[in-house]
Amino acid sequence: DGGITQSPKYLFRKEGQNVTLSCEQNLNHDAMYWYRQDPGQGLRLIYYSQIVNDFQKGDIAEGYSVSREKKESFPLTVTSAQKNPTAFYLCASSIAGQTYEQYFGPGTRLTVT
Amino acid sequence: AQSVTQPDIHITVSEGASLELRCNYSYGATPYLFWYVQSPGQGLQLLLKYFSGDTLVQGIKGFEAKFKRSQSSFNLRKPSVHWSDAAEYFCAVGPMEYGNKLVFGAGTILRVKS
Repeated sequence: DGGITQSPKYLFRKEGQNVTLSCEQNLNHDAMYWYRQDPGQGLRLIYYSQIVNDFQKGDIAEGYSVSREKKESFPLTVTSAQKNPTAFYLCASSIAGQTYEQYFGPGTRLTVT
Repeated sequence: AQSVTQPDIHITVSEGASLELRCNYSYGATPYLFWYVQSPGQGLQLLLKYFSGDTLVQGIKGFEAKFKRSQSSFNLRKPSVHWSDAAEYFCAVGPMEYGNKLVFGAGTILRVKS
């Protein structure tokens, strides 16, 4: 079955450590996205990529970094510069170009203490 | 800038009752509109979308939504709610031109009373 996988489901880190969240899709989509979800705030866009080897900052990119070396993969690194990293992170993908619906992975809950 | 408002943070309905979740958007032209549903600790699932044409769109799980251009609204409806509909619902808006970025509302949590 086609879909998006995110691993791990739960992630725990100590403050000051960088951590990388995995996102893989087999939908053959060109576009991929990372969102952060906090209670009562909906989804906020961190980074997005319309094509391999290219990506753009979203609304809250500070303290995060991404890479897009393969069409299927779009890992997100939460750096120690992110002041409040504890959140639920969602990865999504879509057909690139005109606005199309986005398909979401199951999410990773990151807890930093 | 685009924005999406979901005025109700929480809504509680009885099982079997009808449901309407409100969504208002701010955008300079007719956008593409979406409704997603999220169960606790899960990803988002697309319920329905509006691109053009008939202003009443049908989705999965018995949901429908009405696009009203004059009111900049895209309200989600269901005639008879089931206990399994309890979840959080998100409205989203995207541009018609190239861009493919969606702006999401803050969400409405639906509780279903038995």
